[in-house]
Amino acid sequence: DAKTTQPNSMESNEEEPVHLPCNHSTISGTDYIHWYRQLPSQGPEYVIHGLTSNVNNRMASLAIAEDRKSSTLILHRATLRDAAVYYCILRVQGAQKLVFGQGTRLTINP
Amino acid sequence: DSGVTQTPKHLITATGQRVTLRCSPRSGDLSVYWYQQSLDQGLQFLIQYYNGEERAKGNILERFSAQQFPDLHSELNLSSLELGDSALYFCASSVAVYPQVDTQYFGPGTRLTVL
Repeated sequence: DAKTTQPNSMESNEEEPVHLPCNHSTISGTDYIHWYRQLPSQGPEYVIHGLTSNVNNRMASLAIAEDRKSSTLILHRATLRDAAVYYCILRVQGAQKLVFGQGTRLTINP
Repeated sequence: DSGVTQTPKHLITATGQRVTLRCSPRSGDLSVYWYQQSLDQGLQFLIQYYNGEERAKGNILERFSAQQFPDLHSELNLSSLELGDSALYFCASSVAVYPQVDTQYFGPGTRLTVL
């Protein structure tokens, strides 16, 4: 399974931007980068995905390095509701399952 | 609300017993996935069904089995339960047309406690 590396935990303040890094140095040219998050006592939920170009949606932005060996999930203005475990996942060609690592536990301070 | 429902929310049972967890996918989703989340192993993929057929298998024990019915709901059967089977079991669904980009929608999970 394709491997990603994320910091175990990060902390930020409410209404400030948050940059969550992910390293995926063994990514192949056809692997998509997906982010899911898991709020306390809930199932994981989709956040965003991309292949090569940076992506924006209503929840977040995804910045992908030019060599694709790393990416950053950006929450532009964190709220208390964004406190969750964030998972960076590589979707390889042909594989439908999600392979979750340990993720980054994000704490938001009021 | 993801649109995926799971029942029951909580299940407490004894070692050696058998339980059935139920999942109803989002309307229109043909694929159902089962994941197990435990403190020591994290979130792990167990099995996937697509339109009634088994599509992929992960780290699913032989004591566990699943099926997807014609109405697309799915059941995960866990038998000869052991203490180590205590975990959160999540079901997810997707349209699964383009696997690399499709979104999986997760249910709220079933918390299984084996005493």
